[in-house]
Amino acid sequence: GQNIDQPTEMTATEGAIVQINCTYQTSGFNGLFWYQQHAGEAPTFLSYNVLDGLEEKGRFSSFLSRSKGYSYLLLKELQMKDSASYLCAVRSWPFTGGGNKLTFGTGTQLKVEL
Amino acid sequence: DVKVTQSSRYLVKRTGEKVFLECVQDMDHENMFWYRQDPGLGLRLIYFSYDVKMKEKGDIPEGYSVSREKKERFSLILESASTNQTSMYLCASSGPSKSSLAGGEDTQYFGPGTRLTVL
Repeated sequence: GQNIDQPTEMTATEGAIVQINCTYQTSGFNGLFWYQQHAGEAPTFLSYNVLDGLEEKGRFSSFLSRSKGYSYLLLKELQMKDSASYLCAVRSWPFTGGGNKLTFGTGTQLKVEL
Repeated sequence: DVKVTQSSRYLVKRTGEKVFLECVQDMDHENMFWYRQDPGLGLRLIYFSYDVKMKEKGDIPEGYSVSREKKERFSLILESASTNQTSMYLCASSGPSKSSLAGGEDTQYFGPGTRLTVL
């Protein structure tokens, strides 16, 4: 089975850096995704890691350690518009038929304050 | 850009009604998914399809069925709606596309969601 843990809520200050952690226990791990979801909107893709290390993408970076079952999303130079829920999702295989399945964590609600 | 659309943003139905939620994607994706999202429970997979006329149960299929007659369209059916099916329903698709987005063909693109209320 799959088990994914994220903090429920975090608060940070505009302009600061925040790290959102995700730990997982899964069989057949084959990659980890981060999605951003603003209130009332659909999740949108942020980043993806399949190998250990840091992937940087502008103000957002994501890190993966497969041996520890651990990932984090790092947001720099926080802006008010970054207030959203951040979802960690684990890809696993094998998968009956085609494609791979994603299992989502419950999300971390980030509030950015002035 | 990938576009996933859902037939309604808001829907109110009565207990026992048959409910159809429609999802259409325009990227020729093979894989399509239906999730429900509830506070504290996150996104939970109901059903998915990896090809026309193919379907697989997700983690919470009870009370739901699906139909995929055409590649671009994936329908979620509530045969007899119940109050515990009040939720936000999200459709997603994935597959090879023209954009080489990191994460490749398993990156899922979501529709705007349908907030269903069953009275």
